[in-house]
Amino acid sequence: GQNIDQPTEMTATEGAIVQINCTYQTSGFNGLFWYQQHAGEAPTFLSYNVLDGLEEKGRFSSFLSRSKGYSYLLLKELQMKDSASYLCAVLDSNYQLIWGAGTKLIIKP
Amino acid sequence: GAVVSQHPSWVICKSGTSVKIECRSLDFQATTMFWYRQFPKQSLMLMATSNEGSKATYEQGVEKDKFLINHASLTLSTLTVTSAHPEDSSFYICSAPYRENTEAFFGQGTRLTVV
Repeated sequence: GQNIDQPTEMTATEGAIVQINCTYQTSGFNGLFWYQQHAGEAPTFLSYNVLDGLEEKGRFSSFLSRSKGYSYLLLKELQMKDSASYLCAVLDSNYQLIWGAGTKLIIKP
Repeated sequence: GAVVSQHPSWVICKSGTSVKIECRSLDFQATTMFWYRQFPKQSLMLMATSNEGSKATYEQGVEKDKFLINHASLTLSTLTVTSAHPEDSSFYICSAPYRENTEAFFGQGTRLTVV
């Protein structure tokens, strides 16, 4: 079966750095997405990785290792508004998005 | 950037009635749109794939006669929840990929409450 694992909840301090991991086992791979979702709102796109390596975009970076079935989202200089759920999703061989359950990130002052 | 508009944002309806949710791609054509349901503190669950000009593809366990999907044009897909029951109360979200292999753009979501 297809499976995506990410931690249920993480806590970090304002101004710090946090890394959210995601491991996946899917039938085929056509890219991995990270989305941010605030409570009661639709997800918003953060990043897309299809090749191994690190993609940096401002305070957010995303890393992918296809051989390990592993990705992480790195958030720097955390702000209170970063408190949200972070969803990892993999595009499988049928171009269907397989979703992780999301990681709830709590930012403390 | 590409925008997907979903309407309404929230709706309250009585048990047994039907509710229609619209999903529009505003500045691009979407031959495919996806409909998701999300219960509190759970992941997005794909309900069906809406294909322009043809029948939708439903995921296992999703009743096609209850969740009617129509994708009549390249910019509009609708989801109708028929004979709604309280257990249908959920957050429904549509999305459309701008192109194959690119990010999916999401509508704002519809909070459905059936009383």
